[in-house]
Amino acid sequence: GAGVSQTPSNKVTEKGKYVELRCDPISGHTALYWYRQSLGQGPEFLIYFQGTGAADDSGLPNDRFFAVRPEGSVSTLKIQRTERGDSAVYLCASSLSTSGTGELFFGEGSRLTVL
Amino acid sequence: QKEVEQNSGPLSVPEGAIASLNCTYSDRGSQSFFWYRQYSGKSPELIMFIYSNGDKEDGRFTAQLNKASQYVSLLIRDSQPSDSATYLCAVDGRFGAGTRLTVKP
Repeated sequence: GAGVSQTPSNKVTEKGKYVELRCDPISGHTALYWYRQSLGQGPEFLIYFQGTGAADDSGLPNDRFFAVRPEGSVSTLKIQRTERGDSAVYLCASSLSTSGTGELFFGEGSRLTVL
Repeated sequence: QKEVEQNSGPLSVPEGAIASLNCTYSDRGSQSFFWYRQYSGKSPELIMFIYSNGDKEDGRFTAQLNKASQYVSLLIRDSQPSDSATYLCAVDGRFGAGTRLTVKP
């Protein structure tokens, strides 16, 4: 596709449930980022992939959060045992840069609400 | 811990004025410096990037970088109501909290 695609656009779940958020980057972009954005805050870095590997996962808040990118394209962010505090917009971005220093192209985000 | 700090504002300027947005960062080895604009309910979009010390101009926008002071700024000249948005500073993929700018007609 022409841009970064994220699905679902909205997800409502109950506390304790498991959630998967998907990101399909721009074709040819080797770098892929996940961010979490709460209302009134800037995007909070979660994880950065270069190809299939996580080059930096220092932003993952705890072991309930996990992300994969098995073929170096589509990525899935997985959240186990969701908590109300996980409610936020999850943004995915991709970049052509192989050094982590390039322009980021964002998807429209996945809004997660944990009841 | 790589941190990026911005004055959260809000910043309000009259139409036609200069808006000045500031950002500092903690990692002295940082290499890439970006300004993104985010309208309410939308995703961030690129305004400008700068990699070297000094000024970089693009139309009404000027980015300034001072690596010794670990400081980045964005100037918006002839501010327009359509510039009203949150401006995000990003350093090597890390974002600040954003500064909300309102340009009043």
